[in-house]
Amino acid sequence: DTAVSQTPKYLVTQMGNDKSIKCEQNLGHDTMYWYKQDSKKFLKIMFSYNNKELIINETVPNRFSPKSPDKAHLNLHINSLELGDSAVYFCASSPGGQPQHFGDGTRLSIL
Amino acid sequence: SQKIEQNSEALNIQEGKTATLTCNYTNYSPAYLQWYRQDPGRGPVFLLLIRENEKEKRKERLKVTFDTTLKQSLFHITASQPADSATYLCALHSGGYNKLIFGAGTRLAVHP
Repeated sequence: DTAVSQTPKYLVTQMGNDKSIKCEQNLGHDTMYWYKQDSKKFLKIMFSYNNKELIINETVPNRFSPKSPDKAHLNLHINSLELGDSAVYFCASSPGGQPQHFGDGTRLSIL
Repeated sequence: SQKIEQNSEALNIQEGKTATLTCNYTNYSPAYLQWYRQDPGRGPVFLLLIRENEKEKRKERLKVTFDTTLKQSLFHITASQPADSATYLCALHSGGYNKLIFGAGTRLAVHP
């Protein structure tokens, strides 16, 4: 019955690698988001898609590329991982401009 | 520059007391403000939303106020319980399509 699910929950990898995080929501929402929560616990918006169209694109290195194959999925691909990419990444969804439902995060650690 | 500040990093209170958390902001004119709860290792969970034309919102033991003149929101938990211990985040609507800007959060610990 998980509403917003992210995989994997933990991701440990070497600098320079490419990795993907997947997100799926079964709430029927039309908008999905990616956030980054750093070590100081600030939660910062990265991207948002509405009906598969990119609507929020914050100042994020172009090594990060979101992909929305359909309304229920929003994946995040990261190229050439750097130490500073270590953080917890949260996916969220909402019905339009309503409060957001978050997944439980993917903890990314770069060695 | 735009800033959101939550009053303190940590707040310790005794069970049964009222917890009051503060969210101050500068250089924003949010159409609405939201409060979320985050437990360790989990994603934030939505609690309450208050719009710019509303002064106060309540839900069970929770109450939120919004003063657009002071640029401040207060979040109250009455008759607090140890189960209320968590980090509470305020989030401002920052224009655009449901774009939220989050504060750093206040970690609340309710002691028996």
